[in-house]
This record gives sequence, structure tokens and C-alpha cells, in this order.
Amino acid sequence: AQTVTQSQPEMSVQEAETVTLSCTYDTSENNYYLFWYKQPPSRQMILVIRQEAYKQQNATENRFSVNFQKAAKSFSLKISDSQLGDTAMYFCAFMSRTDKLIFGTGTRLQVFP
Amino acid sequence: NAGVMQNPRHLVRRRGQEARLRCSPMKGHSHVYWYRQLPEEGLKFMVYLQKENIIDESGMPKERFSAEFPKEGPSILRIQQVVRGDSAAYFCASSPITSLSRNEQFFGPGTRLTVL
Repeated sequence: AQTVTQSQPEMSVQEAETVTLSCTYDTSENNYYLFWYKQPPSRQMILVIRQEAYKQQNATENRFSVNFQKAAKSFSLKISDSQLGDTAMYFCAFMSRTDKLIFGTGTRLQVFP
Repeated sequence: NAGVMQNPRHLVRRRGQEARLRCSPMKGHSHVYWYRQLPEEGLKFMVYLQKENIIDESGMPKERFSAEFPKEGPSILRIQQVVRGDSAAYFCASSPITSLSRNEQFFGPGTRLTVL
């Protein structure tokens, strides 16, 4: 069975600084998708970034980028130039062959002014 | 171009009552997923439905829970004889997925169920 592990329950960063959130996963599949979702206090799930496992190039979306290490089954999220609005829970997720998302337990990120 | 809609946003039930949660997918989406988020936890998959079909219900509790996605109308997650442990946020997501590709799942705002 696939599993997703986020080992950092809480992180904090000062505004304008860079922070990296860790995620590891376990699967026997070769083709899959990985996602980072943001959940602010409103509880709405917002897609931050996605990565296809068959692509070697790391995905980037503005201030958000990933470090995807397929052999190590690692998928970390880097947030550059952190903003107060980045304060939220961040969930790493794996999409299985059956198209269901498997989520990690989340990392609570606090951005300080 | 409305997103995924869920109602009600908040639902309070007493133990033993029934809860009905509704999800209207985005226009053009024929695939619906239900997830449950217990307090201070991540989302857990419950069920995956296409119109009139249950594709994967491996995350559904064996008793009291059921889901449907009829040809017309919203998807319904039904919880019979609710217990305090059912208190959670229930999220619906929809996807336009085809047999040839996987697509992003678009999430609704969730329904927060509180069982007294």
C-alpha cells in the first residue's frame, strides 16, 4: 500500500525568507503523480504544485518549487520569498493508479512578519 | 464557471440521526471523490464515483456510510445513525478525468459535521 510521510508537524519562517517542507512516500508503482496542497484557515484545499513522476524536471510555480528525487521517493516543497498569506497547513499527496489521493498528515507553516 | 459546491457547509446532528452531505461537481466533471478529515489530521479517501457507478469504495466504513452519484443531481454521502466519531470535515472533489489521463482533483469547501 502507498503511504505518504510528512515528518515536520510544524515549521515557521520569517517573511521574505525561504522554507522547505519535507515529504517522502512509498510505492511500488513507476508512473504516478505527486501534489502539494495548501489548506488555509478557511479549510479550502488549494493545489499549490504538481509533479508527474515520469518527468525529471522539477515543477515550479512562481515562488513554489519542488525537489523531486524519484529514487529516494522524496518530494519536498520550497517556498521562496515567504509571504504572510502562505501561513497554512500544507499537505503532500500521492495519486495512485486508481486515481485516489493519499495524503500525508500535514505541516503547519507559520510565516512571521 | 462555478467550482465544486458542497452543502451544507456546517451540519449539526444528534447521535442516532442521519446526515446527508451533497456535492455538485464542476460543470463537465463526471467523476467525484469523497474524503474525510478528522481534527488535526490529513484527508483520508473514502469513495470514488462516476455517474451511477461506484468505482472504488475501499475507504468507506463497512456500516452506516453510503454514497451515490445519480444520473441527475448532486452526489450524496449519507451517514446513518451518526456517532460522535463521525464528527469531521467531509470534502468532495471532482475531476474531468478520461480513461487516457489523470487530472487534478478540484476540491469543494467541505462540510463540517458535528455530532452532539
